[in-house]
Amino acid sequence: EPEVTQTPSHQVTQMGQEVILRCVPISNHLYFYWYRQILGQKVEFLVSFYNNEISEKSEIFDDQFSVERPDGSNFTLKIRSTKLEDSAMYFCASSETDLAGSSGANVLTFGAGSRLTVL
Amino acid sequence: DQQVKQNSPSLSVQEGRISILNCDYTNSMFDYFLWYKKYPAEGPTFLISISSIKDKNEDGRFTVFLNKSAKHLSLHIVPSQPGDSAVYFCAASAGTFGDGTTLTVKP
Repeated sequence: EPEVTQTPSHQVTQMGQEVILRCVPISNHLYFYWYRQILGQKVEFLVSFYNNEISEKSEIFDDQFSVERPDGSNFTLKIRSTKLEDSAMYFCASSETDLAGSSGANVLTFGAGSRLTVL
Repeated sequence: DQQVKQNSPSLSVQEGRISILNCDYTNSMFDYFLWYKKYPAEGPTFLISISSIKDKNEDGRFTVFLNKSAKHLSLHIVPSQPGDSAVYFCAASAGTFGDGTTLTVKP
């Protein structure tokens, strides 16, 4: 069964360092997402991406965050200068259709997540 | 403004009994609702969905009920099994997730 793969599974970094989290979405999916879950808290939407540009982003997704699809398979989340409060599980997801404005149940397929620990 | 809410952080039921997980929403424009299940150290996985034009959708042991007038939906699992123990997230079609409910099914 197709799956979304994420690397690394766990990254420890010092505050202020740049981090890149990588994701390989399902090959025929067109929409890509990043979510995060701080320990013990809810799953929060960060950003959605389609056709090589951001289609929607949340208030959390500020200037220190960026996303990129550098080639035909990878989808990356970059955090420029990490802060302690960026420590969380980051989940990548992909879907065949868009979340907003679609007439179908837009099912997201999630990766297993990347745990980021900022010291 | 939290558009999707799951007010019960945890639920414990006996194996074989029914589990009922609840979810409330505020935005009447949501056209689909989805339930995801999440095991530790894994990403959420899709479980079942319901269109806003329906009031019930059933898939095996899982049934989701939608009450549009009350802006409420619920997931019923019957009979519950120990393997159902996980965190269950209610989500709206706009990608907004609830806080999750941790279900524990005791043997």
